[in-house]
Amino acid sequence: NAGVTQTPKFRILKIGQSMTLQCAQDMNHNYMYWYRQDPGMGLKLIYYSVGAGITDKGEVPNGYNVSRSTTEDFPLRLELAAPSQTSVYFCASSYSVSGLASYEQYFGPGTRLTVT
Amino acid sequence: GESVGLHLPTLSVQEGDNSIINCAYSNSASDYFIWYKQESGKGPQFIIDIRSNMDKRQGQRVTVLLNKTVKHLSLQIAATQPGDSAVYFCAENRVGYNTDKLIFGTGTRLQVFP
Repeated sequence: NAGVTQTPKFRILKIGQSMTLQCAQDMNHNYMYWYRQDPGMGLKLIYYSVGAGITDKGEVPNGYNVSRSTTEDFPLRLELAAPSQTSVYFCASSYSVSGLASYEQYFGPGTRLTVT
Repeated sequence: GESVGLHLPTLSVQEGDNSIINCAYSNSASDYFIWYKQESGKGPQFIIDIRSNMDKRQGQRVTVLLNKTVKHLSLQIAATQPGDSAVYFCAENRVGYNTDKLIFGTGTRLQVFP
């Protein structure tokens, strides 16, 4: 298994540009997540999905959108990039059953985004 | 507000010594805790987890201790090696119907010197 893959690895955007960060997993996990990590900080949850067709906001959803049309893919969309969105973005997946404690989350290698 | 935090931002230890990384949490309803290791330029990697019905769990060279009375979690690394140098995060799982989410602490950087 490739696990969780993310593309691109690096990207520089100008203010106001848009882009999509790609995330895919081949472990048949039902849950997928997007986090951002600012320098020297922990991870903050942007959006998550409990299954295809279902998404929900995390702690810091403003300025982002997601979709989950398949179990494998969970793209993150930035519509109008702002300097405050400069960060490292991590996608993760897990297998969870509602009402029970989650299993561990598997993380991708990250996408480093700079908005100037 | 509810949070998961760490007591020490940086921990320096000598190779071969034991390391102890601490974490405080505030939500007594959390029932699952995880430690992650993040090496420079990489995503977090699972180390060990513990459920709230346990107070200790051991892995290979690592032990997690959970004290629910004072809402404290610790990660012990035995015989610390240079490859253990990384940032370590604790995370708590707040379980709810269709809302399994991890709340991460800020992280502790472990530096191992010869």
